[in-house]
Amino acid sequence: GIQVEQSPPDLILQEGANSTLRCNFSDSVNNLQWFHQNPWGQLINLFYIPSGTKQNGRLSATTVATERYSLLYISSSQTTDSGVYFCAVGRSRSQGNLIFGKGTKLSVKP
Amino acid sequence: EAGVTQSPTHLIKTRGQQATLRCSPISGHTSVYWYQQALGLGLQFLLWYDEGEERNRGNFPPRFSGRQFPNYSSELNVNALELEDSALYLCASSLGGLGYEQYFGPGTRLTVT
Repeated sequence: GIQVEQSPPDLILQEGANSTLRCNFSDSVNNLQWFHQNPWGQLINLFYIPSGTKQNGRLSATTVATERYSLLYISSSQTTDSGVYFCAVGRSRSQGNLIFGKGTKLSVKP
Repeated sequence: EAGVTQSPTHLIKTRGQQATLRCSPISGHTSVYWYQQALGLGLQFLLWYDEGEERNRGNFPPRFSGRQFPNYSSELNVNALELEDSALYLCASSLGGLGYEQYFGPGTRLTVT
């Protein structure tokens, strides 16, 4: 099956710093989503981005489908950005499910 | 617009018992997905329901089952609970199958003692 690898696994930043999270996937996809898991466990949708570039405030994402990777950029990080960021991909319309990477744990220090 | 809702928030059961978890999708969504997040195992796909039918299931034993009701809400049943079933169970909904954005509920934390 398709493999999803996220890097780095852990990231510690000082408040105000910028960061880039990477997601590599092993096959073509027709769904790619980025999530932030809050301390209570809920997955918050950040981007639905099977291809192209999107921006939402301090966050932006780029997916290069032909090269099988996606990047999540966080600028001017805040302590509330702390948590685990997941990349998830979907490949087959007949299967429906998302396949998740292991996540990047981000800690932003004041 | 109300998001995906799940109940109960927490559930404590004894090994061998049965657990029932419930999920209500976003209005207008016909697909419901169930995922398990167990410590150290990451997020794993359990089941996908669309238009009342089971469309796909992940690599879990048959004691994990569920159904989708005519109003598109869903329940997940776990029979003969084992200690390793302790996990956060997340439900998601979407407009249809793959190709549509999935939105997640807050989860049900199941503890098996």
